[in-house]
Amino acid sequence: DVKVTQSSRYLVKRTGEKVFLECVQDMDHENMFWYRQDPGLGLRLIYFSYDVKMKEKGDIPEGYSVSREKKERFSLILESASTNQTSMYLCASISGNYGYTFGSGTRLTVV
Amino acid sequence: RKEVEQDPGPFNVPEGATVAFNCTYSNSASQSFFWYRQDCRKEPKLLMSVYSSGNEDGRFTAQLNRASQYISLLIRDSKLSDSATYLCVVNRGDSSYKLIFGSGTRLLVRP
Repeated sequence: DVKVTQSSRYLVKRTGEKVFLECVQDMDHENMFWYRQDPGLGLRLIYFSYDVKMKEKGDIPEGYSVSREKKERFSLILESASTNQTSMYLCASISGNYGYTFGSGTRLTVV
Repeated sequence: RKEVEQDPGPFNVPEGATVAFNCTYSNSASQSFFWYRQDCRKEPKLLMSVYSSGNEDGRFTAQLNRASQYISLLIRDSKLSDSATYLCVVNRGDSSYKLIFGSGTRLLVRP
């Protein structure tokens, strides 16, 4: 089974801090994604990457950046955390047309 | 209009009941369809893919109607453990692996 690991389950950060969310997958997948999930809004795509050093903006990239230096690792960066970035962040990877495998999520609170 | 629309519920049913969820999608170019299950405060997990001919997996049956852009999920003989939120998911109809998630339908199965 594919394993997608997110480094933190819960995180509390202060407004203005730079925040790194890490995601690692163990199945050599090319495609990786970062979503955020908010009540009533569902999952929204922030960024995705289809290969090392290749990335594209999703639907809500403002305030975020990403890094993919190695195939197995896809990092989401909040350049200057704000309270409206309090959310559940979900990383996913995919190979073929078999649906995503998600990490267990990081619940980020910005205070 | 949302790209993927679902009734948020909750659907409150007794054990043993049959329950059906529906979902409509707006992009006629979408080619891949899924149902995901999400437990409270957990990540979404793939329940089943949805094929044009319809498909069944134990107590779960998924149907696709491309002409009406409509997907359904039928759960027979509901169990307490089926209580969760069910997400309808479609691809964007382009060459990417980006998926669009509905906001989910919440199911509560009572004893």
